[in-house]
Amino acid sequence: QKEVEQDPGPLSVPEGAIVSLNCTYSNSAFQYFMWYRQYSRKGPELLMYTYSSGNKEDGRFTAQVDKSSKYISLFIRDSQPSDSATYLCAMSAGRTGANNLFFGTGTRLTVIP
Amino acid sequence: ETGVTQSPTHLIKTRGQQVTLRCSSQSGHNTVSWYQQALGQGPQFIFQYYREEENGRGNFPPRFSGLQFPNYSSELNVNALELDDSALYLCASSLVGDEQYFGPGTRLTVT
Repeated sequence: QKEVEQDPGPLSVPEGAIVSLNCTYSNSAFQYFMWYRQYSRKGPELLMYTYSSGNKEDGRFTAQVDKSSKYISLFIRDSQPSDSATYLCAMSAGRTGANNLFFGTGTRLTVIP
Repeated sequence: ETGVTQSPTHLIKTRGQQVTLRCSSQSGHNTVSWYQQALGQGPQFIFQYYREEENGRGNFPPRFSGLQFPNYSSELNVNALELDDSALYLCASSLVGDEQYFGPGTRLTVT
């Protein structure tokens, strides 16, 4: 079993739709949760960074973490064609030592104008 | 732009050869991590360097090695290249324990 599971999609939505992206994980030591956006042939770009359970909002993006269910989500409101990319969830156990990130496989999103 | 740069952008090597990839961290960042991203997969952690010392390693063989320099630039070296080493290699810089910011990556093709 992979430590982080993410539905690879692809996911296709019309412009203006609300998008929901999700990941599950098995390691209860994970405390830091991130969402990255990766355009084709580019490096991942950090979108959201959260600690422990709860919600965090930044513009059209909302990240949710439910540690009791080992489940994290990213919501995109009023989706735009420029949001078309692969979205990677990532998580780490702590801020000391090698805080290496464990990634999901990524969900490819296409927003249709 | 994250301020993290990588070179070269793309290179092609033959099985058995050696390769060196380079990364320049964001100014002030003292930690660099390297990841391997195979096509259609998420990045996999190779190792991390903090103040020029290896600070953790993922499940990669010793033929993957690295260096970090006092100016926080770094290198990833891979010896005895195999076909499965074909991937996008990403470096990420950070302050220790903080958010990691990725460079654009080097795409390595092994034939």
